[in-house]
Amino acid sequence: AQSVAQPEDQVNVAEGNPLTVKCTYSVSGNPYLFWYVQYPNRGLQFLLKYITGDNLVKGSYGFEAEFNKSQTSFHLKKPSALVSDSALYFCAVRDAGKLIFGQGTELSVKP
Amino acid sequence: EAQVTQNPRYLITVTGKKLTVTCSQNMNHEYMSWYRQDPGLGLRQIYYSMNVEVTDKGDVPEGYKVSRKEKRNFPLILESPSPNQTSLYFCASSDSIANTGELFFGEGSRLTVL
Repeated sequence: AQSVAQPEDQVNVAEGNPLTVKCTYSVSGNPYLFWYVQYPNRGLQFLLKYITGDNLVKGSYGFEAEFNKSQTSFHLKKPSALVSDSALYFCAVRDAGKLIFGQGTELSVKP
Repeated sequence: EAQVTQNPRYLITVTGKKLTVTCSQNMNHEYMSWYRQDPGLGLRQIYYSMNVEVTDKGDVPEGYKVSRKEKRNFPLILESPSPNQTSLYFCASSDSIANTGELFFGEGSRLTVL
């Protein structure tokens, strides 16, 4: 069965520093991977996806993610964090008729 | 504006009192789905629908029903709610989940069952 794991419940970063939110996956076949962000009291918003092609995927709000097949990882990154990036981040993998989500990682960016 | 609309956003009810959470999308999407979000568990799929009159169980369908009579609407029905169904519910739609289309989510419906 397809699955994703987010090993960190919370990530704390100072504003202006680079950030990484980790995700590892377990799939049979080619993975279709996604990142979503959830701001307080809001629904999830799509950030980016990896289907095939370039291992570095660029998405919304300056985020990017690196697909690493050998390490089965799909980490979310941003070169310079903003306080407004503070939110809950979910990694997901497509499995037949649905997306399977990780547990979520709370990102806190302090001024 | 393209959106997925859920109602109600907040609801407190009592055990056994039937309720319906409505979901409507204006993007002509074929695929619609319901998820519940619980702390530490992420999002878990309840039911999904690939098209009108086609619905399938997700990972946690017990205690829920859905229908898809029209393309735009996908209501979630709790026939006899129980406290373990207290959760945050999200409806989502996609133009084609099979073709790796991303999901568009509603704002969520927070349900408390006493």
